[in-house]
Amino acid sequence: EAQVTQNPRYLITVTGKKLTVTCSQNMNHEYMSWYRQDPGLGLRQIYYSMNVEVTDKGDVPEGYKVSRKEKRNFPLILESPSPNQTSLYFCASSLVSGTGGSPLHFGNGTRLTVT
Amino acid sequence: GENVEQHPSTLSVQEGDSAVIKCTYSDSASNYFPWYKQELGKRPQLIIDIRSNVGEKKDQRIAVTLNKTAKHFSLHITETQPEDSAVYFCAAKGTYKYIFGTGTRLKVLA
Repeated sequence: EAQVTQNPRYLITVTGKKLTVTCSQNMNHEYMSWYRQDPGLGLRQIYYSMNVEVTDKGDVPEGYKVSRKEKRNFPLILESPSPNQTSLYFCASSLVSGTGGSPLHFGNGTRLTVT
Repeated sequence: GENVEQHPSTLSVQEGDSAVIKCTYSDSASNYFPWYKQELGKRPQLIIDIRSNVGEKKDQRIAVTLNKTAKHFSLHITETQPEDSAVYFCAAKGTYKYIFGTGTRLKVLA
């Protein structure tokens, strides 16, 4: 089944404890990206990757890191989480990176709580 | 920076009526405009999209219109049903970045 898989689904952690949220897609998609969803603010793009080893900042990159060493994986790293990073996170991928676009396929989300 | 404004934030309609959600974008380079539906506790899912070289697209009860000159696009749902109740997001994509609207909570009253 074609899908985007995120893990974990739920995560509770403490301020300053490094964590990684994994994201994997099995559709050979070029483009992958991370979003956070907060009430009243919609979905905001954190980082995106146009292809292997090519990443760039979205609108809210502060406090996050990403890497794209393989085409299928795009982990989100919080080196020193803070309470304002408590949010619902989505990973998404699409076939095409550049101009024109193609539909984003979202993972099931990761609800992160930082205390 | 670039932004997408979405209105209204909430919308209640009677079953069978039409619903219209409007978005305005700021980045002239935007060329792809998808709409996503998100049911409670679930991930966003694409319902329809339109590219900048097209003015209107329809898929059964759902249609999207795009006015590039005015930089706005709209979602139209006809003959609404209770299962249409959800949060709807518009988005605008430039070369690589996606900017989403803040969402519209649609309630279809039976």
